[in-house]
Amino acid sequence: AQSVTQPDIHITVSEGASLELRCNYSYGATPYLFWYVQSPGQGLQLLLKYFSGDTLVQGIKGFEAEFKRSQSSFNLRKPSVHWSDAAEYFCAVSPAYSGAGSYQLTFGKGTKLSVIP
Amino acid sequence: EAGVAQSPRYKIIEKRQSVAFWCNPISGHATLYWYQQILGQGPKLLIQFQNNGVVDDSQLPKDRFSAERLKGVDSTLKIQPAKLEDSAVYLCASSPEVEAFFGQGTRLTVV
Repeated sequence: AQSVTQPDIHITVSEGASLELRCNYSYGATPYLFWYVQSPGQGLQLLLKYFSGDTLVQGIKGFEAEFKRSQSSFNLRKPSVHWSDAAEYFCAVSPAYSGAGSYQLTFGKGTKLSVIP
Repeated sequence: EAGVAQSPRYKIIEKRQSVAFWCNPISGHATLYWYQQILGQGPKLLIQFQNNGVVDDSQLPKDRFSAERLKGVDSTLKIQPAKLEDSAVYLCASSPEVEAFFGQGTRLTVV
């Protein structure tokens, strides 16, 4: 069964500093990969996704992520964090095939980001 | 484009009571999911619908949880009777194929 590990439960950065959130997955083949953000009391908003092709993907709000097959990782990065980025971030994977049960998301436990003004 | 609508936003019930959540997906999205998010954890899939048929309900506690999707559009998730450990946020998501779009969720507190 697939699994997602986000090793950092809570990260605190200063505004303007760079950010990297780690994500490792376990899956039999290369899955589809996603990063979602959740602000307090809100649902999940998709930041970016990787299906295939270029391993560096750009998302919304200035975020990017790099897929590294050899490390089974899909780390999220931002060069300069804004106070409004404070939220919880979830990495997720889904099977890369169509059919019954396809595209179901398996989430990591999340990383809470705090930003110091 | 309207997003995924869920109601109510918050619900407090006593254990052993019943509760129902409602979800209206994005128009045209064939797939609908219900996820349970317990505090401090990532969302966990409860059930997946394709149009009005169940694709996967293997993680749904069927002794107390039930779900239906009427005419392949709206969906309701019911818990009867509720337990303390059912306290969580229940998220509905819809998808045209791969990418899932989430509603704001219903926060359930069982006391």
